Amino acid sequence: QVQLVQSGAEVKKPGASVKVSCKASGYTFTSYGISWVRQAPGQGLEWMGWISAYNGNTNYAQKLQGRVTMTTDTSTSTAYMELRSLRSDDTAVYYCARVVVTAMGDYYYMDVWGKGTTVTVSS
Amino acid sequence: QSALTQPASVSGSPGQSITISCTGTSSDVGGYNYVSWYQQHPGKAPKLMIYDVSNRPSGVSNRFSGSKSGNTASLTISGLQAEDEADYYCSSYTSSSTDVVFGGGTKLTVL
Repeated sequence: QVQLVQSGAEVKKPGASVKVSCKASGYTFTSYGISWVRQAPGQGLEWMGWISAYNGNTNYAQKLQGRVTMTTDTSTSTAYMELRSLRSDDTAVYYCARVVVTAMGDYYYMDVWGKGTTVTVSS
Repeated sequence: QSALTQPASVSGSPGQSITISCTGTSSDVGGYNYVSWYQQHPGKAPKLMIYDVSNRPSGVSNRFSGSKSGNTASLTISGLQAEDEADYYCSSYTSSSTDVVFGGGTKLTVL
């Protein structure tokens, strides 16, 4: 069955970086994309961006431009999200989700989600 | 402030029907049929309930249905059950630089 398994919880100090992984199984990795969505405590969902696993093209949310990098390793069917210059308001659960793409390779919708990775930023 | 506007909360009794609205603009909800809805129970990951405005993924109950009129999409849940109590989020493709926008979420309470 289709599964996304995320890496474990992280605790980071302000100014540090974090890299979260998302290992896919049960489908052809390069036929889809991967989105990253985060949820601060008690808050709603915030879309961070997505990467095409086919060609590596990315699109990031404007507010995170310059601090976030999304990559994939097709040899291991794993996606990564790195967030730099962490602040306390980056404390959140970070989800990866499989992106179904259109025939043109554009974003369509997210259909399968990982269980989430808790990232805590605290001095 | 979220790009798509949802009511903060809705409620209904078991067996009743409820509708959650999701209002955007012609750059997102009104301009594309790429609206999806997600259900999230406390402490759990979101689950896809509706895509393409009104399509249900395999395994999702036919009590869940979606529609759209102009810049507003709607999720209707009929025959409410206790297990439907959760947060619901709409999402849409957008022609802005970011590709995707979410609504702020709606907490459904089954009385």
